[in-house]
Amino acid sequence: GDSVTQMEGPVTLSEEAFLTINCTYTATGYPSLFWYVQYPGEGLQLLLKATKADDKGSNKGFEATYRKETTSFHLEKGSVQVSDSAVYFCALSDRSGYSTLTFGKGTMLLVSP
Amino acid sequence: NAGVTQTPKFQVLKTGQSMTLQCAQDMNHEYMSWYRQDPGMGLRLIHYSVGAGITDQGEVPNGYNVSRSTTEDFPLRLLSAAPSQTSVYFCASSGQSLSYNEQFFGPGTRLTVL
Repeated sequence: GDSVTQMEGPVTLSEEAFLTINCTYTATGYPSLFWYVQYPGEGLQLLLKATKADDKGSNKGFEATYRKETTSFHLEKGSVQVSDSAVYFCALSDRSGYSTLTFGKGTMLLVSP
Repeated sequence: NAGVTQTPKFQVLKTGQSMTLQCAQDMNHEYMSWYRQDPGMGLRLIHYSVGAGITDQGEVPNGYNVSRSTTEDFPLRLLSAAPSQTSVYFCASSGQSLSYNEQFFGPGTRLTVL
């Protein structure tokens, strides 16, 4: 079945540091890929998405590129802020059927001033 | 639009008690899902529905029942709560018109079973 593997956290960075959170997937078809963010005490919010190979999703300074050859969708940000502290989930949706999501286990990001 | 709403926000149950977690959406979405979130496990799919009257099991359905009598509502029932069901529960919805299957999540219900 489909699966998503992302790096374990917590990831601890200083403000303005560069962020990479790795995500790789296995899927039988051509999935859509997502990054969701969960701020403390809240539900999940869609951060960015990509629907086909080589697509780049971007939002709020975050970027991720759909790499079919390496089955990866790594999340990057050039300069993190304290307000980016949250848990980040990589997920995929099998486009061939109903849009349930398969999630990775989540990566906590802690940014200090 | 309120989006996806869930009630209650917090709930404490004793083992063996029953309860229903409510979920409603006002976006006329066909698809609705229930996930549970446990530390170190990410989110796991419990049940889902592709429309009124149609439901199916996800990855971890045991101990939970669902029904979908209207497009707007998708309640999750725990018939006899167990400590293993202590978790945070999220409801989500998405529409068939969305080409990339984006799901919208509710704020969650934190359930503790003693």
